[in-house]
Amino acid sequence: EIVLTQSPATLSLSPGERATLSCRASQSVSNYLAWYQQKPGQAPRLLIYNASKRATGVPARFSGSGSGTDFTLTISNLEPEDVAVYYCSQRSTWLTFGGGTKVEIK
Amino acid sequence: QVQLVQSGAEVKKPGSSVRVSCKASGGTFGSHSITWVRQTPGQGFEYMGGMIPIHGTAPNYAQKFHGRVTISADASTSTAYMDLSSLRSDDTAVYYCARALQTAIERHSAFDIWGQGTLVAVSS
Repeated sequence: EIVLTQSPATLSLSPGERATLSCRASQSVSNYLAWYQQKPGQAPRLLIYNASKRATGVPARFSGSGSGTDFTLTISNLEPEDVAVYYCSQRSTWLTFGGGTKVEIK
Repeated sequence: QVQLVQSGAEVKKPGSSVRVSCKASGGTFGSHSITWVRQTPGQGFEYMGGMIPIHGTAPNYAQKFHGRVTISADASTSTAYMDLSSLRSDDTAVYYCARALQTAIERHSAFDIWGQGTLVAVSS
């Protein structure tokens, strides 16, 4: 099973700052890496797929990069509505998810 | 705009079974696959299995749930089902159905539409 390790566990930033979230895979997942946003009591929302493609309707301040084993989700100009837990997920081999990064606003 | 609408919360006894349904609203499944995952506070997200309803081919199952989970679908009504048997307390979770975004490479696709989730609580 491919293990995805996300860091940091929690990120506390001020509005307008840049958030950088990391996801590392235990083996290469090519570019079959997605990022999801989940707010309390809600289902996950797809933000990024194929490592760097923004899903329909996702604001341009969300961007993804990386390939192989190291991936990054960047939220530029953080807004209060971005408070959520962010998960990476791979579909190179079956389907696994990372443990999540919680983004808080100071 | 297609939405996935899941059945309501369930409370079950250990050893019993549960069925969760997932119906497309505002459209159909089309050629997209439907996958089931669950979320628990302790284990996070776990893949359970999936299938392409319109193809009618055999579902794929995660090794962990093989033998306890059955995934099926009625393409004519765009409704998918997930049956889980021999329930244990650690099956208490929120169960989600999700639609694959890409049909050409559905095995590698992310999920663009999710159901609202169904809480299944297992308790004696």
